[in-house]
Amino acid sequence: GAGVSQSPRYKVAKRGQDVALRCDPISGHVSLFWYQQALGQGPEFLTYFQNEAQLDKSGLPSDRFFAERPEGSVSTLKIQRTQQEDSAVYLCASSRQGTRGVDTQYFGPGTRLTVL
Amino acid sequence: GENVEQHPSTLSVQEGDSAVIKCTYSDSASNYFPWYKQELGKRPQLIIDIRSNVGEKKDQRIAVTLNKTAKHFSLHITETQPEDSAVYFCAASNPNAGKSTFGDGTTLTVKP
Repeated sequence: GAGVSQSPRYKVAKRGQDVALRCDPISGHVSLFWYQQALGQGPEFLTYFQNEAQLDKSGLPSDRFFAERPEGSVSTLKIQRTQQEDSAVYLCASSRQGTRGVDTQYFGPGTRLTVL
Repeated sequence: GENVEQHPSTLSVQEGDSAVIKCTYSDSASNYFPWYKQELGKRPQLIIDIRSNVGEKKDQRIAVTLNKTAKHFSLHITETQPEDSAVYFCAASNPNAGKSTFGDGTTLTVKP
């Protein structure tokens, strides 16, 4: 079946612009995670949804970052007033079960955001 | 919170040799430890995982060992091949925290 998909794959934004990144999880997967991956580093947790409920947003770096999953499937990560330090690959992952953190996470291809 | 350290950051081996990557974690409540392989520009893909109720798991040329007492786990790749070249990430998951904490990755290069 189809895996996790993300769009756009690449995004270039001018500093100060708002961006929206989309994630389509595997159909039926309950949990959805967003990660930020800087060059040469491992994925850093941003936020986690179980269905439409955002259960953990402790990793969001500032109030410029906002994520939603209104119908419990597709999720959008929005970054307002982008800064150069926001440049990174944003990875989305989904897992089948609602049990936190103990099920296999399947990653999307990521969105590479470059802020000029 | 959880802290995961991964070593080495780079590893170069000759084709056919074995490769070992080690990770330590800090949160004793973590109970799920996946390993991901990430090729350049591609998504992380799960290659093997282990849960805290077992000490070792093997899948063909890949094995993972877990020492809960010492809070460390290792990835072992035997008979390495050039296509094993990639960045490998370990992670530790705490069922109460709702997230996985990743190591910083190991760049494995297998020389033909």
